[in-house]
Amino acid sequence: SQTIHQWPATLVQPVGSPLSLECTVEGTSNPNLYWYRQAAGRGLQLLFYSVGIGQISSEVPQNLSASRPQDRQFILSSKKLLLSDSGFYLCAWSVRGARGEKLFFGSGTQLSVL
Amino acid sequence: TQLLEQSPQFLSIQEGENLTVYCNSSSVFSSLQWYRQEPGEGPVLLVTVVTGGEVKKLKRLTFQFGDARKDSSLHITAAQPGDTGLYLCAGVSSNTGKLIFGQGTTLQVKP
Repeated sequence: SQTIHQWPATLVQPVGSPLSLECTVEGTSNPNLYWYRQAAGRGLQLLFYSVGIGQISSEVPQNLSASRPQDRQFILSSKKLLLSDSGFYLCAWSVRGARGEKLFFGSGTQLSVL
Repeated sequence: TQLLEQSPQFLSIQEGENLTVYCNSSSVFSSLQWYRQEPGEGPVLLVTVVTGGEVKKLKRLTFQFGDARKDSSLHITAAQPGDTGLYLCAGVSSNTGKLIFGQGTTLQVKP
């Protein structure tokens, strides 16, 4: 069965420090991978998605970047964090079935930039 | 830009009550999904509806896709404290194929 791992679960970083969040998927090949950000109790904002190694699409201009160095690894990074980067970050992978594309999410990273 | 409007944004009810959450748009979606999310966790897919007018039941949860595929509803019968969480609808745009999320409905069921 497929599983998705995301870490760390929580992170407190000072303004101006770098960021690296990692996500890995097991049990599937060539998945579509996503990074979302969520404000508390609200919907999801798509940040990046990837359809293959080295293929990254950015949905909104921001202080973040993403990379996919391996088929099942997706990394979210920043060189210098801003206060506005605080939030709940979710990694997801998708599978396309007869009823459309379905997303499977990791357990999220709560990032606090102070 | 296609938007999905969810209502209400917040709902607090007593155990045993019924409730309905709505997801509306002016645009057509090829399919619509409902997710449930608990605090500190990622959303979990509950159901996908594809056909206009489709009704799907998951125990005490009933999901309906509007005839014109622009709206959907989630009805919970006899809510229980375990139903507490954030409910998100997400539609696949018939134009772009991208998944668009609503802003979510936070449900609190008090024992």
